[in-house]
Order: sequence, then C-alpha cells, then structure tokens
Amino acid sequence: DGGITQSPKYLFRKEGQNVTLSCEQNLNHDAMYWYRQDPGQGLRLIYYSQIVNDFQKGDIAEGYSVSREKKESFPLTVTSAQKNPTAFYLCASSAQDRGKQYFGPGTRLTVT
Amino acid sequence: AQKVTQAQTEISVVEKEDVTLDCVYETRDTTYYLFWYKQPPSGELVFLIRRNSFDEQNEISGRYSWNFQKSTSSFNFTITASQVVDSAVYFCALRPPEGGYQKVTFGIGTKLQVIP
Repeated sequence: DGGITQSPKYLFRKEGQNVTLSCEQNLNHDAMYWYRQDPGQGLRLIYYSQIVNDFQKGDIAEGYSVSREKKESFPLTVTSAQKNPTAFYLCASSAQDRGKQYFGPGTRLTVT
Repeated sequence: AQKVTQAQTEISVVEKEDVTLDCVYETRDTTYYLFWYKQPPSGELVFLIRRNSFDEQNEISGRYSWNFQKSTSSFNFTITASQVVDSAVYFCALRPPEGGYQKVTFGIGTKLQVIP
C-alpha cells in the first residue's frame, strides 16, 4: 500500500544529543514537509522540500536540519541547538500539482 | 500573510447531536485552497476535503457537510448525528494557488469530544 512511514513512533533522548527522525514515502510525491505539533498551537512548518536536493526553511527551522538525497526520503535532525525539542513531529508529502497532503503517523519525541 | 482562525478550541456534544466547527481565514490571494483534516487519537492527520476558492458550492459527504462563504472568509464544517468515532482534533488549513511554494497554513485545531 502507498503511504508515508515515520519511525519510530516514540523516541526518547537526553538533552544535548542530536536525533534523526525518519520519513519515507512511496507515493512518488515531489514535495515533502516536516511539521511540529505542540498542544494548543496547531501545526507549524519546520522545513519543506519541493524536489530532490533542494529544501527550504519553514517558520520554525532554527535548531533543525534536513536532507533530501532521494525522492522517497526526507529525514529530520533535531539538533542540540533546538531549545525545546519535545513535541510531536509529523511528516507529509504532496504531489507538486495538487494541494492535498498525505501525513505519516508521526513521531513523539521526548527530550529530558 | 495567511492566517486561519479556529476559535473553538474544544467542543463536547452528546452522541447524535449535530455540531459545527468554525473556520475563518485571511489571505491576500484571490485564488486559494481550503482544507479540513481530522486527527484521531492515533495522531495521523486524515484528509477530509479540499475546496477551491472559485467554487462556493456547499458540499455534503455522508454525515459531513461544509459551508464555504467567501464573503465572510469562512469555511465551516458540520457533522450531523455525531458519533463517538468522530471524536478527534479537526484542523482547517489554507494554501496558496498551484505551483511554486506550497506552504499550508493550519489553524490551531478544534478538539471534538462526542460523549456516548
């Protein structure tokens, strides 16, 4: 079945460690996105990528980094520079010529 | 700048009641897309509807209906005869026209609880 996978579902890290969240899609979509969700704040865009080897900062990119070496994959690294990394992270993708986004199941990151 | 306002943060209804979730948006674009997504407790957002700003016809899909009023910049969502399975967080979203940067602006969401 086509879709987006994110792993792991739950992730725990110590403060000061970098951590990479994976996002894979087999929908053949060009565009991919990373959102952060905090209680009462909806979804906020971290990074997005419209094509391979290209990505752009979203609204809250500080402390995060991404890569887009393959069309199917868009991993997000939460660096130690991110001051408040504990959150629910959602990956999404869309075809370039359509607005509908498909979302993965999310990764809940807890940093202590 | 784009903005989506969902003024209702939480709503509780008793099963079989009708409920309307409000969505008001702001944009300078003359064409745009509006969306509703459902986020059940599992966390994954599920697409419900996309509406082009050119099309102001209301839409019905089973127990779901959407009322798009361009004059008041609103895109409200009504669930008729609510069920416990409708309990979720619902997001309204706005996207610029096709092509180029496809940033989607989400509202903060409305948490709906349907009580049996």
